[in-house]
Amino acid sequence: GAVVSQHPSWVICKSGTSVKIECRSLDFQATTMFWYRQFPKQSLMLMATSNEGSKATYEQGVEKDKFLINHASLTLSTLTVTSAHPEDSSFYICSASSQLEENTEAFFGQGTRLTVV
Amino acid sequence: QKEVEQNSGPLSVPEGAIASLNCTYSDRGSQSFFWYRQYSGKSPELIMSIYSNGDKEDGRFTAQLNKASQYVSLLIRDSQPSDSATYLCAVIQNTGGFKTIFGAGTRLFVKA
Repeated sequence: GAVVSQHPSWVICKSGTSVKIECRSLDFQATTMFWYRQFPKQSLMLMATSNEGSKATYEQGVEKDKFLINHASLTLSTLTVTSAHPEDSSFYICSASSQLEENTEAFFGQGTRLTVV
Repeated sequence: QKEVEQNSGPLSVPEGAIASLNCTYSDRGSQSFFWYRQYSGKSPELIMSIYSNGDKEDGRFTAQLNKASQYVSLLIRDSQPSDSATYLCAVIQNTGGFKTIFGAGTRLFVKA
């Protein structure tokens, strides 16, 4: 399968600071990238969908000013958690797809475990 | 009603048995369905994809799809302790763009 690289794999930051997470598709052009958040023992919750070159579409209840998403190229999307607080501590996972057709699967990055102290 | 529903489990089966995981979805227009396996603290990995009614087999895994009943399942034959994980059902929705919606996942324990 295709390779999606997510960086960093884990990060600890102080409350009030911002953290940037990168998601790269290494061997295909990702027209669409998805950002998920997963709290312990819970399922993946879709936060937002980003298409290359356009603004991200956020799911209901996700603050777009707090979770800044940039998808400037077909191989890179970034998620910036601004003014992080302890309740933002979670496992963040990106997935990328050349989702031009409905049956195109998405490939996941390794995930980023964020701990805000 | 949740868009993709799964029994959270845990489902416990003895080694060598068949594990049966079930999933229902609400969007009747969905055409693409996936099963992912997620180990604790890791990212999900794709096991199976299925697009047509009926069965699709890959090694010890068989995916079954019934669009009329809006039901998709995953059978794991000869279950092994290494199969112990959370299994996520995923459905692609077309809402003016395609997005993948996940079920809550079913935790499977295979007892040695």
